[in-house]
Amino acid sequence: AQSVTQLDSQVPVFEEAPVELRCNYSSSVSVYLFWYVQYPNQGLQLLLKYLSGSTLVKGINGFEAEFNKSQTSFHLRKPSVHISDTAEYFCAVSDRGNFNKFYFGSGTKLNVKP
Amino acid sequence: EADIYQTPRYLVIGTGKKITLECSQTMGHDKMYWYQQDPGMELHLIHYSYGVNSTEKGDLSSESTVSRIRTEHFPLTLESARPSHTSQYLCASSAWGGQSFYGYTFGSGTRLTVV
Repeated sequence: AQSVTQLDSQVPVFEEAPVELRCNYSSSVSVYLFWYVQYPNQGLQLLLKYLSGSTLVKGINGFEAEFNKSQTSFHLRKPSVHISDTAEYFCAVSDRGNFNKFYFGSGTKLNVKP
Repeated sequence: EADIYQTPRYLVIGTGKKITLECSQTMGHDKMYWYQQDPGMELHLIHYSYGVNSTEKGDLSSESTVSRIRTEHFPLTLESARPSHTSQYLCASSAWGGQSFYGYTFGSGTRLTVV
């Protein structure tokens, strides 16, 4: 089974500053990788996904993430954040051989300050 | 726009009561899932289904049960609610497109409080 580690439980940042949310997973087997965002009192919304191909993937709302196989990481980045980006972000991993199961990290709360 | 619907959004109920959390999706997805989410914790899979009449327990032990009589409907039932069941419950569905897996679509969740 996979384990997913999100190293920062909370990330405070000022508006228009860049941000990186870190995600590492345990297994080096072939994986699918995802980032989800959860706004208060809502379900999870897909931000972006890596299935294959280019290791740099772009998602909605200006976010992007880079898959690094050697470091088993999938960090999420945004060059300039907005107040509306304040939310909780979850990294998720699915083994290619068992895509029916997702393994989620514990989440990172991004708090964008004016 | 949400294509997967959960009701109720919020529920406060007394200990010992039987409850059913509803989940319906309009996308025709075969696979559906229930996750339990506690604050500051990762999501834990408690049940999943590959299709009609197929249900499996997930990684986290749960006293709840599920059924899948119709493709679009995947309700979760607690026969006797306890305070330890207080949590947020998220329903999700998934599908493949060609050779690619497109991830999960989540509902808005049901926040359950057992008093």
